[in-house]
Amino acid sequence: DVVMTQSPLSLPVTLGQPASISCRSSQSLVYSDGNTYLSWFQQRPGQSPRRLIYKVSNRDSGVPDRFSGSGSGTDFTLKISRVEAEDVGVYYCMQGTHPFTFGPGTKVDIK
Amino acid sequence: QVQLVQSGAEVKKPGSSVKVSCKASGGTFTSFLISWVRQAPGQGLEWVGGIIPLFGTSNYAQRFQGRVTITADESTSTAYMELSSLTSEDTAVYYCAVGFRSGWSYMDVWGKGTAVTVSS
Repeated sequence: DVVMTQSPLSLPVTLGQPASISCRSSQSLVYSDGNTYLSWFQQRPGQSPRRLIYKVSNRDSGVPDRFSGSGSGTDFTLKISRVEAEDVGVYYCMQGTHPFTFGPGTKVDIK
Repeated sequence: QVQLVQSGAEVKKPGSSVKVSCKASGGTFTSFLISWVRQAPGQGLEWVGGIIPLFGTSNYAQRFQGRVTITADESTSTAYMELSSLTSEDTAVYYCAVGFRSGWSYMDVWGKGTAVTVSS
């Protein structure tokens, strides 16, 4: 199975400042159809996960444009341009070819 | 707008089975890609398996093979996840999530989760 790692695992941030989370896979996520199935999910405290980004860099409907995804092959990044209070939670990357695997999660909180 | 309603919390004895349901509304059931993900207390997300209702084909994480069965009933737009031979390590919140075959998009919409507690 593809192993997903994330860093950092804990990320204290200052409101209004940028934040960045790294995600790495144990093998390339480029699928045979040419797509790269890497998604990012946000889980706020006490809530279900919510997908933010799919296929590396596509924002889901309703996701603020301060969230952006980038990367290729085995290295991916989620960036928040200016952190807001509502961004507190745990962020997971996930590779989307069977069997799906998630990263361990990065906990984002406010300094 | 697709909405998912999951069945209520369960308390089970070790060695028993649990069957969790996930009813979808607001979309075409046969266009869905349905996934089940669990989260143990204080832990991260873990993919359990999934099903494509149009084809009736299921995929399971290796660690659950032989213990999990995921099915889908098109007539009621409901998916089910049954896990057998339960142990305390299966105590978790079980989420269903729906994606769409167009573009092979997984986990676009999530249910609220079903808490399963395994205790003697």
